[in-house]
Amino acid sequence: KAGVTQTPRYLIKTRGQQVTLSCSPISGHRSVSWYQQTPGQGLQFLFEYFSETQRNKGNFPGRFSGRQFSNSRSEMNVSTLELGDSALYLCASSLGGGGTGVNTEAFFGQGTRLTVV
Amino acid sequence: AQKITQTQPGMFVQEKEAVTLDCTYDTSDPSYGLFWYKQPSSGEMIFLIYQGSYDQQNATEGRYSLNFQKARKSANLVISASQLGDSAMYFCAIIPPSGGYQKVTFGTGTKLQVIP
Repeated sequence: KAGVTQTPRYLIKTRGQQVTLSCSPISGHRSVSWYQQTPGQGLQFLFEYFSETQRNKGNFPGRFSGRQFSNSRSEMNVSTLELGDSALYLCASSLGGGGTGVNTEAFFGQGTRLTVV
Repeated sequence: AQKITQTQPGMFVQEKEAVTLDCTYDTSDPSYGLFWYKQPSSGEMIFLIYQGSYDQQNATEGRYSLNFQKARKSANLVISASQLGDSAMYFCAIIPPSGGYQKVTFGTGTKLQVIP
């Protein structure tokens, strides 16, 4: 079955612009989580969507937003880009059920590498 | 709050030898899940192995095994018979009792390099 698809793979933007990243989860998965990965801060949780609703949000400013569509595809948007937003943005897809069993396994996409200049 | 500590920023191992990547965690939750992920230079995070806090036995998946010591709050990854393709970043992660990936916490990672 197809894996998690993130588009675009690479992106270069200038400060002040906005950007939209896309994530298509594995078929049947209803949960999509987004992460920012930087050399200095490591992997940080941005937010998680389940059945079109944001279930949780990490400690990021309001410039970072997202949404999920009825087909579970998700987009994240960053407005008024800053140099510090340069990072690898990863999305993870999972079934989204509760509990701590192995069925909570998440499958990650290859990420979108965003460079802000 | 949960925390993952990976104290080895980088490791070298000879091909075909075993290597242990350290991971300690801190949580006040009575139940939790622990994961290890591999991230090659392509960027994708690849699931390796999972250990539930109430699992009696250490998890194993092929050449990967998790040395889970609950009292010491450690969850070290052991890779047996290292291969060149094992060269990558390795991340330990913990999920809260509610499960899912709502607020998984990752460690800072260990860069493993396998030497021919």
